[in-house]
Amino acid sequence: GENVEQHPSTLSVQEGDSAVIKCTYSDSASNYFPWYKQELGKRPQLIIDIRSNVGEKKDQRIAVTLNKTAKHFSLHITETQPEDSAVYFCAASTGGSYIPTFGRGTSLIVHP
Amino acid sequence: GAVVSQHPSWVICKSGTSVKIECRSLDFQATTMFWYRQFPKQSLMLMATSNEGSKATYEQGVEKDKFLINHASLTLSTLTVTSAHPEDSSFYICSASSRDTQYFGPGTRLTVL
Repeated sequence: GENVEQHPSTLSVQEGDSAVIKCTYSDSASNYFPWYKQELGKRPQLIIDIRSNVGEKKDQRIAVTLNKTAKHFSLHITETQPEDSAVYFCAASTGGSYIPTFGRGTSLIVHP
Repeated sequence: GAVVSQHPSWVICKSGTSVKIECRSLDFQATTMFWYRQFPKQSLMLMATSNEGSKATYEQGVEKDKFLINHASLTLSTLTVTSAHPEDSSFYICSASSRDTQYFGPGTRLTVL
């Protein structure tokens, strides 16, 4: 089955800095890669996703890049703000069955 | 986006009792729903895939007789934790797919005393 590795497990940055979270996947058939943000005690919320026919996608301060050859994808957050502090999960799935495999999560802490 | 609700949001029960958690898709029909378990500071662990009108598919290591799943309609799936024990205490989250996107419920915090 699919295996998703996520790094780092914890990321601490100063407000205004950029943050990068990286994930690798093992199944070359995976073609859908969502990123979720989860605040403490709350549900995961989809913040951005990318499909395998696209190399990069951007939404305001958030961007995701995908390298299919290397089987890795990354989340980039620019101009971080304290409210960006949360746990971020990457996931990988195939479009047909849509059963995502999640990474272990990255706890992002943005210091004011 | 699509909305998924979950009830109750938290529950405290005595060891040996059963607890039912409901997951509803409010504005879309979901032929497939998913049940996850999340321990503190850990990732989401898929427990089972719930299919409307058929038996759920359980992940390896998840006891189907302990975690009963029923998906009786296109908008409702239930998870019943039978004979709950303290080690079952966790955050249970359901999700439903709309097109290619998965939407999560708010979660249920289960505490077994």
